[in-house]
Amino acid sequence: DAGVIQSPRHEVTEMGQEVTLRCKPISGHNSLFWYRQTMMRGLELLIYFNNNVPIDDSGMPEDRFSAKMPNASFSTLKIQPSEPRDSAVYFCASNVEAASGGELFFGEGSRLTVL
Amino acid sequence: GQSLEQPSEVTAVEGAIVQINCTYQTSGFYGLSWYQQHDGGAPTFLSYNGLDGLEETGRFSSFLSRSDSYGYLLLQELQMKDSASYFCAVRDRTDSWGKLQFGAGTQVVVTP
Repeated sequence: DAGVIQSPRHEVTEMGQEVTLRCKPISGHNSLFWYRQTMMRGLELLIYFNNNVPIDDSGMPEDRFSAKMPNASFSTLKIQPSEPRDSAVYFCASNVEAASGGELFFGEGSRLTVL
Repeated sequence: GQSLEQPSEVTAVEGAIVQINCTYQTSGFYGLSWYQQHDGGAPTFLSYNGLDGLEETGRFSSFLSRSDSYGYLLLQELQMKDSASYFCAVRDRTDSWGKLQFGAGTQVVVTP
């Protein structure tokens, strides 16, 4: 079975440019999460969706960040305009909302470098 | 709010046993999870404790004491491939099943 699929795996861009990260969750999973990982702040939850609806976006750093989930098999995280401090690894994860066990399935991440 | 504390680094030799402690403070509590992450890789799920006691999965075991707000991950018969970061994560009772708060991670270094 395919896991969570993220693209691009690596992105290098210049400050001020728009960045779009993409995620395809595992089929059948109804919750999707965007995390950001940096050395300084560790793994931070940015936003999560349940049944395609944003439930909690309190972790989104500022208005430059936005996320959408137009359908059950696709989500995007957009940064516009990007800044050097946005450099991080962005992980998408999914699971089944009602399942017990605390297991999140993570994608391989998108490593973003903003110059 | 939530806070989790775990040691930043542990070094041990192959074949040894390592215990990674995690203490947490949450407004509510629903369970403690553990994840492993190799350099450059994605976090992968290791174990979950919803109730007090020990959960064993092969060489890895996880323990929870809800009354002490404490848990640990035990790595036995250490192998070189166990060199990785290990994160504890909690789910607050008021949150969604999947909304986890992660600790800062413990870097485990296994030496020959």
